Amino acid sequence: DTAVSQTPKYLVTQMGNDKSIKCEQNLGHDTMYWYKQDSKKFLKIMFSYNNKELIINETVPNRFSPKSPDKAHLNLHINSLELGDSAVYFCASSPQRESRTQYFGPGTRLLVL
Amino acid sequence: AQSVTQLGSHVSVSEGALVLLRCNYSSSVPPYLFWYVQYPNQGLQLLLKYTSAATLVKGINGFEAEFKKSETSFHLTKPSAHMSDAAEYFCAVSEGGGYQKVTFGTGTKLQVIP
Repeated sequence: DTAVSQTPKYLVTQMGNDKSIKCEQNLGHDTMYWYKQDSKKFLKIMFSYNNKELIINETVPNRFSPKSPDKAHLNLHINSLELGDSAVYFCASSPQRESRTQYFGPGTRLLVL
Repeated sequence: AQSVTQLGSHVSVSEGALVLLRCNYSSSVPPYLFWYVQYPNQGLQLLLKYTSAATLVKGINGFEAEFKKSETSFHLTKPSAHMSDAAEYFCAVSEGGGYQKVTFGTGTKLQVIP
């Protein structure tokens, strides 16, 4: 009965590798997000999709590419990983045109060596 | 542009004491305001939200926050701290209209001393 789930929970990889993080929500929400939380706990939005359409694309290196195959899924692919990509990545979802409450997943802890 | 400022990256209180976490916002239109809590190694969960109804908002776990437009503040309070309240707390703002971009503050870590 998990609302927003992410896989994997932990990801340790070498610089230069390509990796993907998957997110699924079973809340029936229309909008999904990717956030990056750095080591100082600062939370920054990266992308948002509404019904599979990209609506928010913050200043993120183009090595990061989101993909939404349907409105319940939002994946994040990262090419050529760098040390600075080490962070916790959170997926979230929100009902469309509601009061913008975000429902967060448990996070994916990415460590680039 | 919307933004929030959380005063104090770390706050320590004794168990049973008042909790006060400060948040000031900036928004060009009437905002939606939120407080989220993050326990260690978990995602954020909503404590409470303000959506232009009552200015005093009650949330889960005994927390409440008061929207003060004149002070552009949305401080979080709890009358009596419990050990289980130790966590990171985030204030967030979202402006009305359009799609739902939410901007988070830098967080305040609450320590509860026995």
